[in-house]
Amino acid sequence: AQTVTQSQPEMSVQEAETVTLSCTYDTSENNYYLFWYKQPPSRQMILVIRQEAYKQQNATENRFSVNFQKAAKSFSLKISDSQLGDTAMYFCAFYAGNNRKLIWGLGTSLAVNP
Amino acid sequence: EAGVAQSPRYKIIEKRQSVAFWCNPISGHATLYWYQQILGQGPKLLIQFQNNGVVDDSQLPKDRFSAERLKGVDSTLKIQPAKLEDSAVYLCASSPQTSGAYEQYFGPGTRLTVT
Repeated sequence: AQTVTQSQPEMSVQEAETVTLSCTYDTSENNYYLFWYKQPPSRQMILVIRQEAYKQQNATENRFSVNFQKAAKSFSLKISDSQLGDTAMYFCAFYAGNNRKLIWGLGTSLAVNP
Repeated sequence: EAGVAQSPRYKIIEKRQSVAFWCNPISGHATLYWYQQILGQGPKLLIQFQNNGVVDDSQLPKDRFSAERLKGVDSTLKIQPAKLEDSAVYLCASSPQTSGAYEQYFGPGTRLTVT
């Protein structure tokens, strides 16, 4: 069975510092996609970043970047220069064509402190 | 580009009553999803449509939940009769891919409280 594990239920970081959120997954598939979603207290789920498994280069979106380690099945999210608006739940999600749906982690609650 | 629209944003009903939620996906997105998100948990897929056909409804409690997507655009999700455990946020999402999930774009959600 395909699973996604986020081992950090809660994290906090000081404004302007860097934080890394962990995500591991389990699959026998070779072609798949990984995502990080952000859900602020307003509850709207927002796509932060995506990574295709066939790409070796780590995805980057402004202050957000990933460390994708395919062999280790690890997909961590790094947030640089943390801002108060980054306070949210962060969900890691996995998609492979065989089940045709996103598999979600349980989320990490991130608090950015002033 | 307009995002995914949902209404209402909030709804409070008594148990055994009925309720309906509406979703309008991003224009041109063939795939539409309804999720249930209980406080403190990740989203749980209820049903997935591709155009106006159902791809996956394996986790939809069919004795009380129903959903339709007329003409492959808007969708409604109905609960009849509601139970206390249905209190949750109901998220609608759409995806441009016709053959699977890939990235999904979410609406603001409908927060349902059943008393």
